[in-house]
Parts: sequence; structure tokens; C-alpha cells
Amino acid sequence: AQTVTQSQPEMSVQEAETVTLSCTYDTSENNYYLFWYKQPPSRQMILVIRQEAYKQQNATENRFSVNFQKAAKSFSLKISDSQLGDTAMYFCAFMKLHPGSARQLTFGSGTQLTVLP
Amino acid sequence: DADVTQTPRNRITKTGKRIMLECSQTKGHDRMYWYRQDPGLGLRLIYYSFDVKDINKGEISDGYSVSRQAQAKFSLSLESAIPNQTALYFCATSDFLGIGADTQYFGPGTRLTVL
Repeated sequence: AQTVTQSQPEMSVQEAETVTLSCTYDTSENNYYLFWYKQPPSRQMILVIRQEAYKQQNATENRFSVNFQKAAKSFSLKISDSQLGDTAMYFCAFMKLHPGSARQLTFGSGTQLTVLP
Repeated sequence: DADVTQTPRNRITKTGKRIMLECSQTKGHDRMYWYRQDPGLGLRLIYYSFDVKDINKGEISDGYSVSRQAQAKFSLSLESAIPNQTALYFCATSDFLGIGADTQYFGPGTRLTVL
């Protein structure tokens, strides 16, 4: 079974600064995806970024980027130029791609990020 | 209009009542999922469906049932609600093929309280 660990329950950052959220995972699979989702107070789950395990290049989406270290099973999210609207709970999630698998997401417990004005 | 909608958004019910949560999507995706979120935890999978005739149990299916009425509709039922089913429920969809395949897109969630 896969497990996803987010060791930082809460973090804060000043507006316009950079913050990094940590995520580690445990799996024996070689083919999988990793995701970061954000959940603002509206409770909507919003996709932030996706990384395919077979790609060595780290994914980026505007101010969001990841540091994917496959050997270390680490998948951190960097948010640059933090904005007040980035305040949310951030979830790291794992999806194995084994043939016949459910394609279900296994989530970490989340990191509550607060951006301070 | 939202691509994935859920009704109701909030519901309070009593122990023993039958409850149905509905999910509709306009994304044209084949795959649909129901997850449950409890405080301090990530989402956990209840049921999933890869097409209208393919429905499967997830890791926490006990006490729940589902119906896939059409490609666009996937309903979750609690036959006899109990207080520990109080949670936030999310529906999600994903595509089978294409560049964005397997990325799940979530509805706005239904907050269910069982008294």
C-alpha cells in the first residue's frame, strides 16, 4: 500500500515571499503520478500541479513548481511570490498506474498555509 | 457553469435516514469517483466507476452504495445514515485518454451531518 506523508501541519509566509511545502511518499511502484491540490476555505479541491514519475524534469505552473526526487521519494511544492489568495490547505497525492488499478488518489494529511499581509 | 456539480451542498439528517448525494459532470469524462474527507485527514475513496457498467468498491465502501445512471451522473447513497458518516463528500471525474488523462477534477463537495 502507498502512504503519503506531509510533515508540516501548518506553515505561514509573508506576502511576496517564497515558501516550500514538503511531501514524502512510500511505494514499490515505478510508474505513478504525483499531484498537489489546494483546498481554500471555500472547500473546493483545486488542482495545482501534476508530475509524471517517468519525467525527470520538474513540473511548473506559473508561480508553482515542484522538486521531484524519485530516489528519495520526495515531492515538494514551491510557491513563489506568495499571494493572499494562496492561503489554503495543500494536499499532496499519489496515484499508481499499475494496469487494472483504480487510479485512485492517496492523499497526505495536508499542510495549512497562511499567507500574511 | 461548473464542470462538476454536487447536490445538495449541505445536508443535515438523522440517524437511520436514507440519504442520496448526487454528482453531475459536463466534462465528458468516463471515470467518476466518490471520496470522503474527515477533519485532519486527506480524502479517502468510497467507490469508483470507469463507465456506466463498471462500478467498484474503494477502501471505505461499507455503509454506502452507488448508482451510475449515465456517463454524466454518479450518485452516492447512505442506506441508513449513522453519525460517523458525518463528513465532507467529494465527487471527482477523470478522463481515460489524452494529455490530461487520469487527472481528477473535483466537485464543490457536500457537507453531510448525521445527528
